[in-house]
Amino acid sequence: QVQLVQSGAEVKKPGASVKVSCKASGYTFTSYGISWVRQAPGQGLEWMGWISAYNGNTNYAQKLQGRVTMTTDTSTSTAYMELRSLRSDDTAVYYCARALMDCSGGSCSWYFDYWGQGTLVTVSS
Amino acid sequence: SSELTQDPAVSVALGQTVRITCQGDSLRSYYASWYQQKPGQAPVLVIYGKNNRPSGIPDRFSGSSSGNTASLTITGAQAEDEADYYCNSRDSSGNHRGVFGGGTKLTVL
Repeated sequence: QVQLVQSGAEVKKPGASVKVSCKASGYTFTSYGISWVRQAPGQGLEWMGWISAYNGNTNYAQKLQGRVTMTTDTSTSTAYMELRSLRSDDTAVYYCARALMDCSGGSCSWYFDYWGQGTLVTVSS
Repeated sequence: SSELTQDPAVSVALGQTVRITCQGDSLRSYYASWYQQKPGQAPVLVIYGKNNRPSGIPDRFSGSSSGNTASLTITGAQAEDEADYYCNSRDSSGNHRGVFGGGTKLTVL
């Protein structure tokens, strides 16, 4: 069965960096993309970016450009999300999700069918 | 445009039908996908594409789209459907970035 297992909770000081991992199993890792989504306490979902596990192409949310880097290690079927220059408003639960596109209905739909369990990142001095 | 707009809260009587809507320019080019999130849990995909349900999602959940509006309909809402619901699409401006709606809190009365 498809599983995405994320690394554990982190506490960081403002200005530091965090790197969250997402280990995939149960499917061919390089056949899908991985998106990262975060959720601040009591807030909605925020799309952070996407990486192709096939060729490493990335697409980041404009507001995070320059602070975020997404990578994959195909030898271990693991995706990583690194966020730098952390601020207090980066405190959130960070999710990875398998990303794919369906174009069978006339138009296309981009969707996330399996999600990791989430990783709480707390930024506090 | 990269925004998707949802009503913040909707309520429905047990067993009745409720529609949750999502508006945005990108929905003229892409179908929305819909996610259910219960407190303390990761989101769960409930609808994608024209009207596709992943395995395990009850058939009381359905999706539709018209113009710049996507809708998630729950026919015969159950107590366990009380949750936050989010729509998602891809920005149609050419940068292919993703975007989520602000979410709708569904209360089943």
